[in-house]
Amino acid sequence: GAVVSQHPSWVICKSGTSVKIECRSLDFQATTMFWYRQFPKQSLMLMATSNEGSKATYEQGVEKDKFLINHASLTLSTLTVTSAHPEDSSFYICSARDLSRGLSGYTFGSGTRLTVV
Amino acid sequence: KQEVTQIPAALSVPEGENLVLNCSFTDSAIYNLQWFRQDPGKGLTSLLLIQSSQREQTSGRLNASLDKSSGRSTLYIAASQPGDSATYLCAVFQGGSEKLVFGKGTKLTVNP
Repeated sequence: GAVVSQHPSWVICKSGTSVKIECRSLDFQATTMFWYRQFPKQSLMLMATSNEGSKATYEQGVEKDKFLINHASLTLSTLTVTSAHPEDSSFYICSARDLSRGLSGYTFGSGTRLTVV
Repeated sequence: KQEVTQIPAALSVPEGENLVLNCSFTDSAIYNLQWFRQDPGKGLTSLLLIQSSQREQTSGRLNASLDKSSGRSTLYIAASQPGDSATYLCAVFQGGSEKLVFGKGTKLTVNP
């Protein structure tokens, strides 16, 4: 089945530094990937849609200059949290859909726990 | 704007019980509905995907139903086991936007 790999699974960084999270589709090509954020006891909130070869589409209220998304190939999208602050601490998850399988549903990465100290 | 609600927010049952998790959505114009499982600190595992033209899907001890006209889906878990303890998320796929809209989930605890 479709597999999405996300790294790192957890990261601790100092306030003011930047952190990059990778999302890879291992056995399919993903022209579109999605980045979500999840706060404790809350649902997943879509942050942005990552489009291969073009600019990402950000949801309302998400700072595009803070959350940089790059989708340079059909199998890799990256999310960079720039100048991280403690309030950016959260669980970030990416997902992708293998369009060659039709309406097969989404596959999610294992998530990244970001802690900013 | 699509809103997805899951009831109950938390559920604790003894091992062996059959149980039902509920999901409702406000806009019935969906392409499909997907149930996921999330273990603490982990990503999402897809359990069942129901296309808008289908009424139910089954996988092992899991059965999901969809009533699009009433905006409801249920996830039935038979003979629950402690390993079923997790948060169960319901999400609907809106046509045209490629977006999944999630509920807040039901946290299930199955006690041995």
